Amino acid sequence: QKEVEQNSGPLSVPEGAIASLNCTYSDRGSQSFFWYRQYSGKSPELIMSIYSNGDKEDGRFTAQLNKASQYVSLLIRDSQPSDSATYLCAVTVETGGFKTIFGAGTRLFVKA
Amino acid sequence: EPEVTQTPSHQVTQMGQEVILRCVPISNHLYFYWYRQILGQKVEFLVSFYNNEISEKSEIFDDQFSVERPDGSNFTLKIRSTKLEDSAMYFCASSQVSGLAKNIQYFGAGTRLSVL
Repeated sequence: QKEVEQNSGPLSVPEGAIASLNCTYSDRGSQSFFWYRQYSGKSPELIMSIYSNGDKEDGRFTAQLNKASQYVSLLIRDSQPSDSATYLCAVTVETGGFKTIFGAGTRLFVKA
Repeated sequence: EPEVTQTPSHQVTQMGQEVILRCVPISNHLYFYWYRQILGQKVEFLVSFYNNEISEKSEIFDDQFSVERPDGSNFTLKIRSTKLEDSAMYFCASSQVSGLAKNIQYFGAGTRLSVL
């Protein structure tokens, strides 16, 4: 059974702080890794994609991937109240077609 | 900006009835997906579709479910005989084919299915 695990939270950080979100996955054949943001009652919105080991930065967001440890993380710098949402880690395995497994998400609350 | 469009936004049906959920993927995308999210639970993969056939499906996607691309723009999910436990938000997504971008999926706003 392919699994993606996240701490459900809630993770509470003050405005302006760094929020750190973590994810582990079980399938070593996983090839693509994503972070989505989901506001309550809304659809997932892509924040970051990462495919190779190391860091990838985009604005206030940095994704980190360590395939040996089967670990993905997302850092949000200068957190804003508007960042308050559930952050979903998603992992895609390509076996002919694509199958994407989502974690249950971490709820982030940024206090003003 | 191009987007994935889903209709209807909310579908109410009686148990045992058939429902069809509709999606219009982004126009130059060739991979299509359906997911569901039961209230308070995680997003669950149902099926991926490419070149007019199913490329992957989950154990959830049993004989009750089917997908179709009836024309050049629509992608549909049919649930043949709905059960109470089918009540969920259903998301359609699409992605490009070429390069690393082929895995990046863009989601529609979802259809909330309520089975009574």
